[in-house]
Amino acid sequence: GAGVSQSPRYKVAKRGQDVALRCDPISGHVSLFWYQQALGQGPEFLTYFQNEAQLDKSGLPSDRFFAERPEGSVSTLKIQRTQQEDSAVYLCASAGGGTDTQYFGPGTRLTVL
Amino acid sequence: GIQVEQSPPDLILQEGANSTLRCNFSDSVNNLQWFHQNPWGQLINLFYIPSGTKQNGRLSATTVATERYSLLYISSSQTTDSGVYFCAVQGGSEKLVFGKGMKLTVNP
Repeated sequence: GAGVSQSPRYKVAKRGQDVALRCDPISGHVSLFWYQQALGQGPEFLTYFQNEAQLDKSGLPSDRFFAERPEGSVSTLKIQRTQQEDSAVYLCASAGGGTDTQYFGPGTRLTVL
Repeated sequence: GIQVEQSPPDLILQEGANSTLRCNFSDSVNNLQWFHQNPWGQLINLFYIPSGTKQNGRLSATTVATERYSLLYISSSQTTDSGVYFCAVQGGSEKLVFGKGMKLTVNP
């Protein structure tokens, strides 16, 4: 079956622009996660959804970052007024349950100029 | 929060050699996963292994939860094994906490 998909794969934004990153999880997966991966580092947790409920957003670095999953399937990560330090790869993962195997999408590489 | 340490940070091998990657973690875990990140950035699941031993072809993994470490074995390495290997754990919450990764280079 289809894996986790993300779009766009690459995004270039000028500093101050808003961006929206999309994640399509594996069909039927209840849990959805967003991670941020800086160059040369391991992924770091941003936020977690169980169905449409955002249960943990402790990793969001500022109030410029906002995530939603209104119907419990597709999720969008929005970054307002992008800054250069937001440049990173944003990874989405889904899982059948909270402690099940997490499957990752290909990521969106965001470059803020 | 839980800490994850991977060693060695970098490894260079000749094709056909074997290697062992180690992951130490600071607290009890509900989940431990090993990933291979390919040159295009895709994180590929290798093992879901909170405890015990699993094998998949030339790869195997062992987690000793009581001693808070996991090992990933790669036998008869191939150039396609090159990339970054991550260990990630779930402690008291659902999020995965990743180590800093180990960069493996396999030369022909």
